[in-house]
Amino acid sequence: EVKLVESGGGLVLPGASLKLSCIVSGFTFSDYWMRWVRQAPGKGLEFIGEIKPDGSKTNYAPSMKGRFTISRDNAKNTLYLQMSSVRSEDTATYYCARADAWGQGASVTVSS
Amino acid sequence: DVQMTQSPSYLAASPGESVSISCKASKSISNNLAWYQEKPGKANKLLIHSGSTLQSGTPSRFSGSGSGTDFTLTIRSLESEDFAVYYCQQYNEYPLTFGSGTKLEIK
Repeated sequence: EVKLVESGGGLVLPGASLKLSCIVSGFTFSDYWMRWVRQAPGKGLEFIGEIKPDGSKTNYAPSMKGRFTISRDNAKNTLYLQMSSVRSEDTATYYCARADAWGQGASVTVSS
Repeated sequence: DVQMTQSPSYLAASPGESVSISCKASKSISNNLAWYQEKPGKANKLLIHSGSTLQSGTPSRFSGSGSGTDFTLTIRSLESEDFAVYYCQQYNEYPLTFGSGTKLEIK
């Protein structure tokens, strides 16, 4: 069974950094492009970025470039999202996904 | 960026009825379009990819059509489990972009 489980969310102060993790199982992680997508409360889905199977290339949404960094550790079957200088607009549920499977998301709230 | 315009944003229907959801791209995306279903407490589910190809496990009452800029998701003979939010998403080019969603509710 394909599983993607995000962790690392929570309440974070504006301007701080936060790193989300996504541990996967049930498939060969190193074979797949992986992505992060977010959803602000009551809003639609927003693509953050995607990383190549071997981690050598990433593609980001222009609005995410610079503050968000996607990486992966294929030996640990884990995808990461490093968020820096977070702001209130980054409050959202963050989903780890591949094209045909999603995690249930990690909630991030940016507030003082 | 490719803008995806999805309509309607809200749809009310009864079990057994058929509904259609439209998704229009701001430029041609060939058939590089997916449809996802969102339900509370569950992981988003890929229903259709390549515009019209049913993902394994998607019931046959779901169908997708279109290519280029105009796409449609049709659900025939609605069942109670189909009441959810549906999103289209293009993957023809980066950044991947989503439609704004259609909430399908029971009438």
